[in-house]
Amino acid sequence: DAGVTQSPTHLIKTRGQQVTLRCSPKSGHDTVSWYQQALGQGPQFIFQYYEEEERQRGNFPDRFSGHQFPNYSSELNVNALLLGDSALYLCASSFPGRVADTQYFGPGTRLTVL
Amino acid sequence: KQEVTQIPAALSVPEGENLVLNCSFTDSAIYNLQWFRQDPGKGLTSLLLIQSSQREQTSGRLNASLDKSSGRSTLYIAASQPGDSATYLCAVFQGAQKLVFGQGTRLTINP
Repeated sequence: DAGVTQSPTHLIKTRGQQVTLRCSPKSGHDTVSWYQQALGQGPQFIFQYYEEEERQRGNFPDRFSGHQFPNYSSELNVNALLLGDSALYLCASSFPGRVADTQYFGPGTRLTVL
Repeated sequence: KQEVTQIPAALSVPEGENLVLNCSFTDSAIYNLQWFRQDPGKGLTSLLLIQSSQREQTSGRLNASLDKSSGRSTLYIAASQPGDSATYLCAVFQGAQKLVFGQGTRLTINP
C-alpha cells in the first residue's frame, strides 16, 4: 500500500518565478492538506482540499494556490517566489468522512529560492 | 489563536533511559492531538493519535497522555535507543482537520 507521495524531492528557483508541487494521497484517502515547514520550525497549515474544493485556509497570501483533481491528487502553486518561501513543503492526507483523524504525511518537497 | 509549545527544545540522554517530552496548548477546545517523529530533512511519521475523549494512548515503548483541562500532553519513551534520535512534534487539531504544531523537541540518544 503506497503512502503519501510528493514530487519533486528538491527544487531550486529564483525570486519572482513560479513553482508547482505535486502530491498523491494515500490509497483510500480523499482529503489533502498542505503545510510549510521553515528550517527549525514546526509545520504551518497552508490549506486543505476536499472534493476538489479548498475547504480551509491558513494565514498565507494569495500567491499560494492549489488544486485537487478527481483522483484526489493535489497541486500547490506558488507565484512570485520570495526568498522567505524557501522551506520544506509537506502534504498530508486522511480518510474520508472522519473528523480529526490520523494525518499521514509525505516525504516533502524541499524548495530553495535564490 | 491556538499556540502549541514544546519544552525542552532539545534533549540529550544516554541509551536505556526513560524520558518524557512535554507539549502544552493554549486553547483547550481541541478535537484530537497527534504526536509525530521527524528525521532530519524528512517528512513526518505519525506515532500516536489521542482522541479528545481519551487520556492515554500506547504504542510499543511509547505512551502519550492528554489533559485537555490543563492544556497539556506528554510523550513517554521507555528504554530509549539510539534509533529514537529524531525531532518529536506535537500537533493539535484546531477544527476538524487543521493541525497546529509546536516547534518540536530535538532528541538525541547517546550510545
